Amino acid sequence: KNEVEQSPQNLTAQEGEFITINCSYSVGISALHWLQQHPGGGIVSLFMLSSGKKKHGRLIATINIQEKHSSLHITASHPRDSAVYICAPNTGNQFYFGTGTSLTVIP
Amino acid sequence: EPEVTQTPSHQVTQMGQEVILRCVPISNHLYFYWYRQILGQKVEFLVSFYNNEISEKSEIFDDQFSVERPDGSNFTLKIRSTKLEDSAMYFCASMKDRVSYEQYFGPGTRLTVT
Repeated sequence: KNEVEQSPQNLTAQEGEFITINCSYSVGISALHWLQQHPGGGIVSLFMLSSGKKKHGRLIATINIQEKHSSLHITASHPRDSAVYICAPNTGNQFYFGTGTSLTVIP
Repeated sequence: EPEVTQTPSHQVTQMGQEVILRCVPISNHLYFYWYRQILGQKVEFLVSFYNNEISEKSEIFDDQFSVERPDGSNFTLKIRSTKLEDSAMYFCASMKDRVSYEQYFGPGTRLTVT
C-alpha cells in the first residue's frame, strides 16, 4: 500500500523549462515536506507546507489539504536542479515518503 | 548555519555484529528521527523520538533496533545483530518544534553488512 504517490517518476527537461511534480497522499497530515536528494545522497528540505503556497526563489510549492494533493514547480529550470525530488507528508509523529521524481535538466 | 552531523560516514560490518550509528542533532531541537534508504529504493521512516522516549516507530523498527539520547547531545541508533538486508543509508534528522515542522537532515551513514 502506497500512502504517497508521485508523478512523474522520471522527468527530463530542457534548461529554462517550467517543471511540475505532483504528489497525492492518502494519510491525514499535519504538514508536508518537499525534499531534494542529490546524486551523492544528501537530503535537503526545500519546503514545509501546511496550507496554501510557498515560494523560494525559482521554486514554488502548493498544497490542497481537502484534495490531499501537493505540487512542486520549478521555473526557469537549470542543470543544477537535476536531483530527485521527494514528497513527504507528516502525520504528526511520522513522515511518509514518496518514491521520488528523478529530474534531469539538459543544458 | 547549524547542521545535523552523523558519524561514521561509512560503516562496514559483518553479519551478526552490533553497530551503533551516531548523530548530533541541532542543539535546540526537540524532535529526532531515524530513516533508512536501501540503495535504489525510497526513504523509509524508522523511528521518532521526543522527550527521551520513542513517540512513533515503523514496522521496520523491530527488537533488533534501539535508539538512545545518552548525553543530551548525541542521538544513536543501535542495530544489535546486523543482517545483510540492513545494508542501507541511514539518515538522522532533527526538528525544533511542531509549529514550523522544518526537519534538518544529516548527511547519512552508509552501512554495509557483509
